[in-house]
Amino acid sequence: GAVVSQHPSRVICKSGTSVKIECRSLDFQATTMFWYRQFPKQSLMLMATSNEGSKATYEQGVEKDKFLINHASLTLSTLTVTSAHPEDSSFYICSATGATNTEAFFGQGTRLTVV
Amino acid sequence: AQSVSQHNHHVILSEAASLELGCNYSYGGTVNLFWYVQYPGQHLQLLLKYFSGDPLVKGIKGFEAEFIKSKFSFNLRKPSVQWSDTAEYFCAVNARGGGNKLTFGTGTQLKVEL
Repeated sequence: GAVVSQHPSRVICKSGTSVKIECRSLDFQATTMFWYRQFPKQSLMLMATSNEGSKATYEQGVEKDKFLINHASLTLSTLTVTSAHPEDSSFYICSATGATNTEAFFGQGTRLTVV
Repeated sequence: AQSVSQHNHHVILSEAASLELGCNYSYGGTVNLFWYVQYPGQHLQLLLKYFSGDPLVKGIKGFEAEFIKSKFSFNLRKPSVQWSDTAEYFCAVNARGGGNKLTFGTGTQLKVEL
């Protein structure tokens, strides 16, 4: 199957700083990427959908100024958590799909801890 | 909007026991259905998927799932589990024609004991 790489796998940052998470499709062109957030013992919640070269579409309740998503190329999307606070601590997962894919492929996730 | 319910949050089984994990969805239109597995420290991996055709689908590692349209269900089964099946299992749906945007259930943590 197609490979999606997410980096970093873990990050600890201080409150008020910004953190960037990268999601790369290694062997296919990802026309669409999805960003999910998973709270402990809860499901994955879709945060936003990004299409290459377009602005991301955010789900209801997700602050677009807080969670900046860039999908500038067919192999890379980034999620930047701006002015992070402890309540932003969570597990963030990306997935990617190409124009001919019938499924999305997932990265390994990023554990963000804001202290 | 669609929603997904997984009723079993934690399941503990002995090796060789049979497994059935429940999944029900709510959506007025046609859906594609998926089961994903997440082994500790690893990516979500697709176990199986249903788009159309035979409602009994077979996936990797001996798993299968049956789509029962009248019950809005897509339960996951395995006749005989192994210790290596210990993982978290997620049921997910997407609306047909809605791209690959998934709605996930809350997940079921399966522990298989030797």
